[in-house]
Amino acid sequence: GAVVSQHPSWVICKSGTSVKIECRSLDFQATTMFWYRQFPKQSLMLMATSNEGSKATYEQGVEKDKFLINHASLTLSTLTVTSAHPEDSSFYICSARVGRGFDGYTFGSGTRLTVV
Amino acid sequence: AQKITQTQPGMFVQEKEAVTLDCTYDTSDPSYGLFWYKQPSSGEMIFLIYQGSYDQQNATEGRYSLNFQKARKSANLVISASQLGDSAMYFCAATGRRALTFGSGTRLQVQP
Repeated sequence: GAVVSQHPSWVICKSGTSVKIECRSLDFQATTMFWYRQFPKQSLMLMATSNEGSKATYEQGVEKDKFLINHASLTLSTLTVTSAHPEDSSFYICSARVGRGFDGYTFGSGTRLTVV
Repeated sequence: AQKITQTQPGMFVQEKEAVTLDCTYDTSDPSYGLFWYKQPSSGEMIFLIYQGSYDQQNATEGRYSLNFQKARKSANLVISASQLGDSAMYFCAATGRRALTFGSGTRLQVQP
């Protein structure tokens, strides 16, 4: 089946530094990638939608200058958390649509970010 | 846009018994898809079952079945013969061809 490889699985960084999270579609072309954030014991909240070759669409309340999304190719989308702070500590997970039907979504394995 | 409501923050079930996890939805899309995902402590999202809004029959996948009542806008997940490995968070989700919208989740604990 369609697989999205997400790296790193976990990362610890210092406040003020930037962290890049990658999602690669391994055996299909992901024209659209969805980025979610999940705080402990909460649901997945959509942060942004990235489309290959165009600017990402951010959800209301998500700082586009802080969460930089790049979708430069059909197989790679990246999320960069810039100038990270402890409140950015969260679980970040990407998802891609596979095919044209309603039922085709696949998820990366997620990245647990801890900012100290 | 979709809104998903899961009213059970936590549920307990005895091993080998069946359990129903509730989900109601609200959507303005004329056609849509409904999903259930399992999220163990590792964080990965495991797809369980899918129901299309125009599907005439309720979806089933092994021990999982989706009780779809369109008029009531509900899409409850039924897990039969619960196993200890079923202990996890369960999320109901919906889509109208955009990103999935998730409910708040239900933590299921299966007791031996």
